[in-house]
Amino acid sequence: GAVVSQHPSRVICKSGTSVKIECRSLDFQATTMFWYRQFPKQSLMLMATSNEGSKATYEQGVEKDKFLINHASLTLSTLTVTSAHPEDSSFYICSARAYSGNPRANYGYTFGSGTRLTVV
Amino acid sequence: DAKTTQPPSMDCAEGRAANLPCNHSTISGNEYVYWYRQIHSQGPQYIIHGLKNNETNEMASLIITEDRKSSTLILPHATLRDTAVYYCIVFDNNDMRFGAGTRLTVKP
Repeated sequence: GAVVSQHPSRVICKSGTSVKIECRSLDFQATTMFWYRQFPKQSLMLMATSNEGSKATYEQGVEKDKFLINHASLTLSTLTVTSAHPEDSSFYICSARAYSGNPRANYGYTFGSGTRLTVV
Repeated sequence: DAKTTQPPSMDCAEGRAANLPCNHSTISGNEYVYWYRQIHSQGPQYIIHGLKNNETNEMASLIITEDRKSSTLILPHATLRDTAVYYCIVFDNNDMRFGAGTRLTVKP
C-alpha cells in the first residue's frame, strides 16, 4: 500500500533557529501533499497544500514566510519552520494521496507518522 | 469547516462491538465518507471508506444510511489497541479537513 515517510519524528530546537521537516511518498508519486498542525488535545488543522513545481497554497492565518514549503519533486515535500518560537511547538503531519482510477481503491490520504517539534 | 458531527467521546468494553456514529447531513452526491483513526502521537490511519453502499474490510464495517446523511463505523470486537480518536470525514477530491472526532476508550 501507499506509504508516506516523515522525518524527523521528533526535534528540539532553540528559539530563533529554523527546522526542516521532510515528507516523502515512498512507492507512489504525489503531485500534491498536505501539511497539518496539531496542538495537544486538538484535531488536525490544515496548514497548506504543497504542489509539485509550484507555490504552496496556505490556509487563512498561516504565515507563508514562516512556514516555507518546497515540493521540488513528485516524491518529496519539505516544511521549514523559520525563526521558530515556543508557540510553534506542535505536532506536524504531512499527507499525500495515492490515486487509483478505481474509486473503491481510493484510500483517501496517506499520512506520515508526524513530527513533534519542541522549541525551547 | 468540518462537514461532520461526532460525539466527543465513547467507551466500549473489550471484546464488544464499538459503534461510532457520524452525522453528515450536508454531504453532496460526489462525496465519500472516510474514517480514520489516530492513536496518540501518531499520524492518522485509514480505516474504511464508502459512497452509499455498506462496506466491510478486515478492520471494520461502515454502514451508511440510505439518505447518506449519517453513517456508523463498527469495530466488531474492540480490543484495547483500538483506543484512539476516530475521525469521520466527507470529501470528494479536494483537501481533507478534520473535525473534532470521537475519542473511543476500550476498557478491560
